[in-house]
Amino acid sequence: DAGVTQSPTHLIKTRGQQVTLRCSPKSGHDTVSWYQQALGQGPQFIFQYYEEEERQRGNFPDRFSGHQFPNYSSELNVNALLLGDSALYLCASSLDRERRSNEKLFFGSGTQLSVL
Amino acid sequence: GENVEQHPSTLSVQEGDSAVIKCTYSDSASNYFPWYKQELGKRPQLIIDIRSNVGEKKDQRIAVTLNKTAKHFSLHITETQPEDSAVYFCAASRWGYSTLTFGKGTMLLVSP
Repeated sequence: DAGVTQSPTHLIKTRGQQVTLRCSPKSGHDTVSWYQQALGQGPQFIFQYYEEEERQRGNFPDRFSGHQFPNYSSELNVNALLLGDSALYLCASSLDRERRSNEKLFFGSGTQLSVL
Repeated sequence: GENVEQHPSTLSVQEGDSAVIKCTYSDSASNYFPWYKQELGKRPQLIIDIRSNVGEKKDQRIAVTLNKTAKHFSLHITETQPEDSAVYFCAASRWGYSTLTFGKGTMLLVSP
């Protein structure tokens, strides 16, 4: 049973560019959340997707957008990259809380984004 | 929104000692409090969690306590081992299990 998989593992971009990160949830999970983890900090919630819609959003600008596909996989897009966007981007999956309240949040290994 | 404070930022102990990490939260409506362990270069992994209707939960050498009145919760690790060395994060949530607010982490170093 595969866990949460993310690609790519590392990425280097320059300021102003755009980036797309990808995530496949754990088998059986239907909800995908994205987190940003800056060096030495805890993960910070970006947004959550369920049934191909953005269900909740954290305190991130509109430059951060996402998408969920019918197979539950997800993409995170960041436009007009800034130096401060350099971070580890974590994808996490879960099963919709209304159906299985004991399900936990499982994280992928992340994509390390460096903006130069 | 929710704010989670975590202390200490680093904790060094000798193998076999106990370690305690403390967190406070601001939103009294938060009802789920997980703890994650993150080894260098690896994903955060859930090690234990507690809901607001429970005061304490244990799993072998790990225990978590919750004081809803004071809005405090703590992680206790007994008989520490070198493989316990990692960064530990506490988190809180009021909307369910996936929209978590994390603390800044505690680096635990267990010396042989």
